[in-house]
Amino acid sequence: QKEVEQNSGPLSVPEGAIASLNCTYSDRGSQSFFWYRQYSGKSPELIMFIYSNGDKEDGRFTAQLNKASQYVSLLIRDSQPSDSATYLCAVRESTDSWGKFQFGAGTQVVVTP
Amino acid sequence: DAMVIQNPRYQVTQFGKPVTLSCSQTLNHNVMYWYQQKSSQAPKLLFHYYDKDFNNEADTPDNFQSRRPNTSFCFLDIRSPGLGDAAMYLCATRGTPGQGPETQYFGPGTRLLVL
Repeated sequence: QKEVEQNSGPLSVPEGAIASLNCTYSDRGSQSFFWYRQYSGKSPELIMFIYSNGDKEDGRFTAQLNKASQYVSLLIRDSQPSDSATYLCAVRESTDSWGKFQFGAGTQVVVTP
Repeated sequence: DAMVIQNPRYQVTQFGKPVTLSCSQTLNHNVMYWYQQKSSQAPKLLFHYYDKDFNNEADTPDNFQSRRPNTSFCFLDIRSPGLGDAAMYLCATRGTPGQGPETQYFGPGTRLLVL
């Protein structure tokens, strides 16, 4: 059973601070990793994808990938109240030709003014 | 511009009364997915299509069926909804090459309530 694990939170972050979200996965052959943001009652919205080891930056967001450790993380710099949401980690299954994802249950982030 | 459109946004049905949820996409992509998401849980894949080739997950209940009459449209039928089927139903398709070809883009979802 392929699994994606995230701390459920809530992760409380002061406004302006850095939020650090972690995700581990069991499918050692996975090559593609995704972070989605989901506001309460809304659908997931893609924030970033990362395919290579190392860091990838997009605005205030940085994704970090370490395939050897089967670990992917998301940093949110200068956190804003609008960043308060649940963040889902998704991993493309390595053995599936359909492009299936395994999702974590998400980490709830609460940014406090 | 909306890429994945779902209707209705909210659906109320009665226990055991069949219901159909619809999804359309403007990207003309050959891949589409249906997910079920319950509160505080990960999205759970129910079905996926490559063109009209159809695959349902091993644990998708028989109560759920799906149809894809053409590239743009996809339907989710719940033949006899139970209270446990109340959830958000999400339709997704793939991104364009510039957006990351393996990404999945979700529609706004349909919130199903079973009374």
